[in-house]
Amino acid sequence: DVKVTQSSRYLVKRTGEKVFLECVQDMDHENMFWYRQDPGLGLRLIYFSYDVKMKEKGDIPEGYSVSREKKERFSLILESASTNQTSMYLCASSLPNEGPSYEQYFGPGTRLTVT
Amino acid sequence: AQSVTQLGSHVSVSEGALVLLRCNYSSSVPPYLFWYVQYPNQGLQLLLKYTTGATLVKGINGFEAEFKKSETSFHLTKPSAHMSDAAEYFCAVSDRGKTSYDKVIFGPGTSLSVIP
Repeated sequence: DVKVTQSSRYLVKRTGEKVFLECVQDMDHENMFWYRQDPGLGLRLIYFSYDVKMKEKGDIPEGYSVSREKKERFSLILESASTNQTSMYLCASSLPNEGPSYEQYFGPGTRLTVT
Repeated sequence: AQSVTQLGSHVSVSEGALVLLRCNYSSSVPPYLFWYVQYPNQGLQLLLKYTTGATLVKGINGFEAEFKKSETSFHLTKPSAHMSDAAEYFCAVSDRGKTSYDKVIFGPGTSLSVIP
């Protein structure tokens, strides 16, 4: 069974703290993604990675960075957390675009609250 | 640029009634289209997808969707709602494989409630 896991389901941090969100997939997928989910806005792409040490900015990268040192692990970093980064964060993975296999597999999400 | 709209942020149906969730997209080329479902406190999972071929696509849990190019629509339907269908539903669109990675644009979501 395919699996994407995220290090925490709930996280509470203070303004200005450095925050690490970890994501691990066991499907040997090349592509990995970080989204944030807010009511009425759907999912917005923060960053994605199509290979180890490779990363691309998504639609809302400001205030975030990422790290992918190993194929199975993709980390999202909030350099200095702010209250407007309170949100649900979802990690996903997928195979490369080889044939119609565009499905993304999602983790359960991390609900981050910044106070 | 691609975009996805979902008509109705919240839809309520009675148990046993037809479920219809609307999705319209804009894309300069024929896209790949998806419906994902998110149950409470869980991540998203794929319901169904359209990539090529038959325009009526069947998915899991009795859901289906029809790609209508002339209407740029991909509405999701289920003949008879079940209580377990209560969830958030997301329509999504993706480019046709211009790169090795697929950027997917998600709609804002529709919350489905099922009334006993």
